[in-house]
Amino acid sequence: NAGVTQTPKFQVLKTGQSMTLQCAQDMNHNSMYWYRQDPGMGLRLIYYSASEGTTDKGEVPNGYNVSRLNKREFSLRLESAAPSQTSVYFCASRPTGNYGYTFGSGTRLTVV
Amino acid sequence: QKEVEQDPGPLSVPEGAIVSLNCTYSNSAFQYFMWYRQYSRKGPELLMYTYSSGNKEDGRFTAQVDKSSKYISLFIRDSQPSDSATYLCAMNHQAGTALIFGKGTTLSVSS
Repeated sequence: NAGVTQTPKFQVLKTGQSMTLQCAQDMNHNSMYWYRQDPGMGLRLIYYSASEGTTDKGEVPNGYNVSRLNKREFSLRLESAAPSQTSVYFCASRPTGNYGYTFGSGTRLTVV
Repeated sequence: QKEVEQDPGPLSVPEGAIVSLNCTYSNSAFQYFMWYRQYSRKGPELLMYTYSSGNKEDGRFTAQVDKSSKYISLFIRDSQPSDSATYLCAMNHQAGTALIFGKGTTLSVSS
């Protein structure tokens, strides 16, 4: 029972480097989300995909891009990492209807 | 004013205490309310889900929604050290829209 799988779990980047955070779910959920969690700021929505083939900006999209590769996979890309993007990134998914999210275990990213 | 306000704590209680965690919100259109529990260095997990006003009970946990006051609560009875975690409230106004989260309250239950 994998649920939502995020890779990598930890990453250190230098300023200006790029990387892609991977997320995959095996629950046949339609909607997928990327959040970042910072001390004192809570969970903030970066991007989301209500269904395969669609993506929309959330509260803090600047500096990020996303790809909904198929129904299972939703990736988050940092094109030119900045220290302000040091955070814990969570991917989540939800089936059609208003149910709670299932979260992955997170990616801890440090940009130096 | 943030859409969802939650006191970050920390909140420290002895084992067996009744814990009350709260959130206030500003958007009167919110009607779906959830509580998540997040252990250290883990992802949040859904604890309670409530639609509109009223109470919902699940074991030692009770979720309460007062839409007239724009106030939601989570009560934990007979708290245990294993309840030590950060509790996040979340809500949305329309089925299927993205959740808005509070900043979370950190709870510590000592044995």
